[in-house]
Amino acid sequence: EPEVTQTPSHQVTQMGQEVILRCVPISNHLYFYWYRQILGQKVEFLVSFYNNEISEKSEIFDDQFSVERPDGSNFTLKIRSTKLEDSAMYFCASSEPQEGETQYFGPGTRLLVL
Amino acid sequence: GQSLEQPSEVTAVEGAIVQINCTYQTSGFYGLSWYQQHDGGAPTFLSYNALDGLEETGRFSSFLSRSDSYGYLLLQELQMKDSASYFCAVPSNTGKLIFGQGTTLQVKP
Repeated sequence: EPEVTQTPSHQVTQMGQEVILRCVPISNHLYFYWYRQILGQKVEFLVSFYNNEISEKSEIFDDQFSVERPDGSNFTLKIRSTKLEDSAMYFCASSEPQEGETQYFGPGTRLLVL
Repeated sequence: GQSLEQPSEVTAVEGAIVQINCTYQTSGFYGLSWYQQHDGGAPTFLSYNALDGLEETGRFSSFLSRSDSYGYLLLQELQMKDSASYFCAVPSNTGKLIFGQGTTLQVKP
């Protein structure tokens, strides 16, 4: 069964450093998303991406965040200058057209900012 | 704004039936989804209700009442592996999911 993959599974970084989180969505999906989950809290939407551009972004997704689809398979989230409060699990998800309610999540990248 | 309310914790015994409720306040409602998340794992899609009524998928069923802004997830014949967090979520017209705070289900022997 096709699945969303994410790398790395864990990332530890120093405050102020840049990190890039990588995702490979399911191949025939056209809608891509990033969510984050701070330990013990709910899953929060960050950004959605379709047709090589951002469809919607949350207020969390400020200027330090960016997304890119550099090729036909990868989807990346870059955090330019990490802060302590960026420590969270980051999930990538994808969905088929017209089925945004059914999103397939990757296993997540646990980011720890020291 | 949008908000979803669900109980924080539910405990039940193996073999029992448990119902997890979700009430919502949203602008532009399209339907109600349910996701399961095991500790340290990714959310996994369980069900989606766009219309009123009951949707059944094996041991899990989901119900929606749009007039009451209310839905629930029903888990039957509980198994130990059902111990997890369950989130209700509403999709927007752009596809983003707004999640509730989650209900931690503990299944005891």
